[in-house]
Amino acid sequence: DTAVSQTPKYLVTQMGNDKSIKCEQNLGHDTMYWYKQDSKKFLKIMFSYNNKELIINETVPNRFSPKSPDKAHLNLHINSLELGDSAVYFCASSQVGSDNEQYFGPGTRLTVT
Amino acid sequence: SQQGEEDPQALSIQEGENATMNCSYKTSINNLQWYRQNSGRGLVHLILIRSNEREKHSGRLRVTLDTSKKSSSLLITASRAADTASYFCATAPYSSASKIIFGSGTRLSIRP
Repeated sequence: DTAVSQTPKYLVTQMGNDKSIKCEQNLGHDTMYWYKQDSKKFLKIMFSYNNKELIINETVPNRFSPKSPDKAHLNLHINSLELGDSAVYFCASSQVGSDNEQYFGPGTRLTVT
Repeated sequence: SQQGEEDPQALSIQEGENATMNCSYKTSINNLQWYRQNSGRGLVHLILIRSNEREKHSGRLRVTLDTSKKSSSLLITASRAADTASYFCATAPYSSASKIIFGSGTRLSIRP
């Protein structure tokens, strides 16, 4: 009964590769997010989708492309990976009208070598 | 730049003592939330305080909000080893209902 799940948990890949991270939530929430947490634990929002519609797109390189096939899933595809993309990526969800209280997945640690 | 800045960056206290963490922010907010992150895990929501509230309690947690000073504090009373974690404040800006912005976090260590 995991509320927000992400796969994979760890991802090690070489520069230039393309990779995807998947996220699913079973809470029935309308809104999903991707965050990036760097080595200093600074957590920054990247994207947000509400009911499959992109509503937040922060200043993120266009190598990053989110895709929401339905409101329970939000995947993140990254092209041409760079060393600086190494971080922990968190998916989260929230329900409209809940004051934006967010439920986080366990994170995906991406290491680019 | 960051909406929220937290102070201190790191805090180490003896088990049983109280821990206080502070958060300052820059713009008008709808609410402020505190989250905990255990090492290697995702963030967990602890408590939310709305802009028209000044203080809120939840178990051993006490949160205050001073909108005139744009600051908040999180007090954990009677700390336990299991409280060891990073604590983040997050603000829901008045100008953007869809997102919350996280502070830089405080790493709390409880010594047995």
